[in-house]
Amino acid sequence: EIVMTQSPATLSVSPGERATLSCRASQSVSSNLAWYQQKPGQAPRLLIYGASTRATGIPARFSGSGSGTEFTLTISSLQSEDFAVYYCQQFDNWPSLTFGGGTKVEIK
Amino acid sequence: EVLLVESGGGLVQPGGSLRLSCAASGFTFSSYSMSWVRQAPGKGLEWVSVINNSGVNTYYADSVKGRFTISRDNSKNTLYLQMNSLRAEDTAVYYCAKVYSYGSGRAFDIWGQGTMVTVSS
Repeated sequence: EIVMTQSPATLSVSPGERATLSCRASQSVSSNLAWYQQKPGQAPRLLIYGASTRATGIPARFSGSGSGTEFTLTISSLQSEDFAVYYCQQFDNWPSLTFGGGTKVEIK
Repeated sequence: EVLLVESGGGLVQPGGSLRLSCAASGFTFSSYSMSWVRQAPGKGLEWVSVINNSGVNTYYADSVKGRFTISRDNSKNTLYLQMNSLRAEDTAVYYCAKVYSYGSGRAFDIWGQGTMVTVSS
């Protein structure tokens, strides 16, 4: 099983600042990685797929990068609606799909 | 509008069974693989199972293999999860998700709102 590790567990950021979230895979997943956003009481929402492609309707302030084992989700200027938990997920080892433990982005 | 609506959750005793349903609308259900993902209270996301578009191929996480069965009825645009021999650790919100395939990659692009399953005596 491919283990996905996200860091930090919690990120405190002020509105308007940049947030950088990390996701590391225990072995290469190529670019087969997705990022999701989840707000309290809501289902996850797809943000990024293929490591760097924004899903439909996702604002340009969200960007993804990386390949192999190291990935980054960047939110260029945090808006109030961006405070949430973010998960990465690998799809390379189909059909054994694994999520990271999540990063909570909170207001500083 | 593309929509997934889960139902069938509830309170069940350890060792009991439950069947979840996920009704799909707004897309050609029979063309897509579908999956179940769960989230225990206050915890992260855990992939549970996936089924291909025809229903022939099914896969499970080790934690549920042999106890859960995923299936689909393409004539009814509905996905199912039959859960047997339930344990306390199966307590979670269960989400269904549509698999988006692009080239050699995939992602879960549409999610339902979730249904809560509580296993307790």
